Amino acid sequence: AQSVTQLDSQVPVFEEAPVELRCNYSSSVSVYLFWYVQYPNQGLQLLLKYLSGSTLVESINGFEAEFNKSQTSFHLRKPSVHISDTAEYFCAVSDMNRDDKIIFGKGTRLHILP
Amino acid sequence: NAGVTQTPKFRILKIGQSMTLQCTQDMNHNYMYWYRQDPGMGLKLIYYSVGAGITDKGEVPNGYNVSRSTTEDFPLRLELAAPSQTSVYFCASSWDRGRSGYTFGSGTRLTVV
Repeated sequence: AQSVTQLDSQVPVFEEAPVELRCNYSSSVSVYLFWYVQYPNQGLQLLLKYLSGSTLVESINGFEAEFNKSQTSFHLRKPSVHISDTAEYFCAVSDMNRDDKIIFGKGTRLHILP
Repeated sequence: NAGVTQTPKFRILKIGQSMTLQCTQDMNHNYMYWYRQDPGMGLKLIYYSVGAGITDKGEVPNGYNVSRSTTEDFPLRLELAAPSQTSVYFCASSWDRGRSGYTFGSGTRLTVV
């Protein structure tokens, strides 16, 4: 069964600094990959997804993630963070061949320091 | 343009009481899911449904029941509430199971005392 590992439970970063949130999944089978964001006291929202094609995917608010099949990783990056990026970020994976349920990681809480 | 609607937003239950968490979606999605979220533990799948009349257990189904009589509604029933069921509950729906991602509701925060 698929599993997702988010290596950092919390990441503090200064405003306008770059950030990387790490995500690894368990299997090298063909997968769909997702990043979700959860702002305080809200539900999860889809931030970006990788289905096929270009390994670099971008969101509308400046985040990007790169699918690395050999390392089974899907790290999320942003070159310059803003206070409004304060949230919890969840990496998720779905088995493409089974088109199955999405499995979520435990989340990484991003703290933006002034 | 409501998406996934969950009610209530907050609830306090006494041990042994029962309640139903409501979830409705207006996107005509066949697939619907119930998750619970506990601090530092991510999301755990409780039950899911692939269409009206069809439900199946997820990772943590004990103490819960679901039904899916219509495409729109997917209520979650808690029988004999226990403190271990204190959590935030999220309902989600999707168009094509895994590929397009899920649309989540805003959650129900449940406390069992």
